[in-house]
Amino acid sequence: AAGVIQSPRHLIKEKRETATLKCYPIPRHDTVYWYQQGPGQDPQFLISFYEKMQSDKGSIPDRFSAQQFSDYHSELNMSSLELGDSALYFCASSLKGAGGEQYFGPGTRLTVT
Amino acid sequence: AQSVSQHNHHVILSEAASLELGCNYSYGGTVNLFWYVQYPGQHLQLLLKYFSGDPLVKGIKGFEAEFIKSKFSFNLRKPSVQWSDTAEYFCAVRNAGNMLTFGGGTRLMVKP
Repeated sequence: AAGVIQSPRHLIKEKRETATLKCYPIPRHDTVYWYQQGPGQDPQFLISFYEKMQSDKGSIPDRFSAQQFSDYHSELNMSSLELGDSALYFCASSLKGAGGEQYFGPGTRLTVT
Repeated sequence: AQSVSQHNHHVILSEAASLELGCNYSYGGTVNLFWYVQYPGQHLQLLLKYFSGDPLVKGIKGFEAEFIKSKFSFNLRKPSVQWSDTAEYFCAVRNAGNMLTFGGGTRLMVKP
């Protein structure tokens, strides 16, 4: 079965650079979630989108923005990167109204040097 | 605000031992509860979930969890662990807005 696809899988950036992470949800899933997992930490919810509209907002820094496109894929844009942004960024998708069970992608490991 | 706490941060067991990982949550409304497993270097995978009905839920790979509303708990159990169960386990609660709040995770190491 198709799973959530994230690209790139690994990304290395320098401080103050920008990064764009992409997430392709499971086909027919209409909701996308972004989570950040720092080293040795639990995943923290950043933001979610349903039908291309932001639905929930968590601990997402103002330097980050995200959107969901008409094909339901989502992009997380990160600017003015800081060392503390180094983390594993997970995307999850779900089908609203079907129990909302979230399926996670493999994550993008971002390293900021 | 909802929160989830997992009391055991690290657990070491021998193969065939029984497992119970604690999870307590605080949330005033109707809760949906989940256990996810994260094998080394891999993404989160759903083990089991509770939405309503029978408070004893069975998941994949022989795991089960019991929802005890009066104790705000959703402990994960497995009668006999295997070396391949070595992983990190996360309890999570979902609110009405669908966002998941995770507990701090429990790292399980099973010695062969």
